[in-house]
Amino acid sequence: GEQVEQRPPHLSVREGDSAIIICTYTDSATAYFSWYKQEAGAGLQLLMSVLSNVDRKEEQGLTVLLNKKDKRLSLNLTAAHPGDSAVYFCAVSAVTNTGKLTFGDGTVLTVKP
Amino acid sequence: DPKIIQKPKYLVAVTGSEKILICEQYLGHNAMYWYRQSAKKPLEFMFSYSYQKLMDNQTASSRFQPQSSKKNHLDLQITALKPDDSATYFCASSQDLYEQYFGPGTRLTVL
Repeated sequence: GEQVEQRPPHLSVREGDSAIIICTYTDSATAYFSWYKQEAGAGLQLLMSVLSNVDRKEEQGLTVLLNKKDKRLSLNLTAAHPGDSAVYFCAVSAVTNTGKLTFGDGTVLTVKP
Repeated sequence: DPKIIQKPKYLVAVTGSEKILICEQYLGHNAMYWYRQSAKKPLEFMFSYSYQKLMDNQTASSRFQPQSSKKNHLDLQITALKPDDSATYFCASSQDLYEQYFGPGTRLTVL
């Protein structure tokens, strides 16, 4: 089955810096890619999602890049601020879609003032 | 107003007992899901339903049974509870089978 590796597990940046989180996946049939944010004690907030026909998407200080050749997905937070401190997860699903999302293990992002 | 309601927020159970976790969504979505988050496995897919029909079941145990009484409800019944079932259980929903929105979770502790 699908395997998703996410790195780094922990990331600390200064306010105003960029933060980049990367996921690699194994199944070439993966067709849907998404990123979630989880704050302490809360549920998951959908940040952005793309289908496999999209290589790049930007929204509100977030950039998602998809490299299908390398099976790599990245999330770039430009100009991070302390409110971005949370755990971030990538999640993917296959083209034969039953709705099953396979998640990475998460990245704990800390943004220091 | 919360669009996905999960009840209860916290639940403590004894080993061997049975509990039902409630999920209701008011987003008008036609697909609903259950996921589990524990220290051992950060986020793990359990079930997916579309138009109240089971699409996928990735739980190895029949002790976990989803129940869909209405289009916007997907409850999770867990029988013969074990300490290893301790986790936070998240319900999610989507309009198609892609963009999924998550509820706040039910934190289950089995003693």
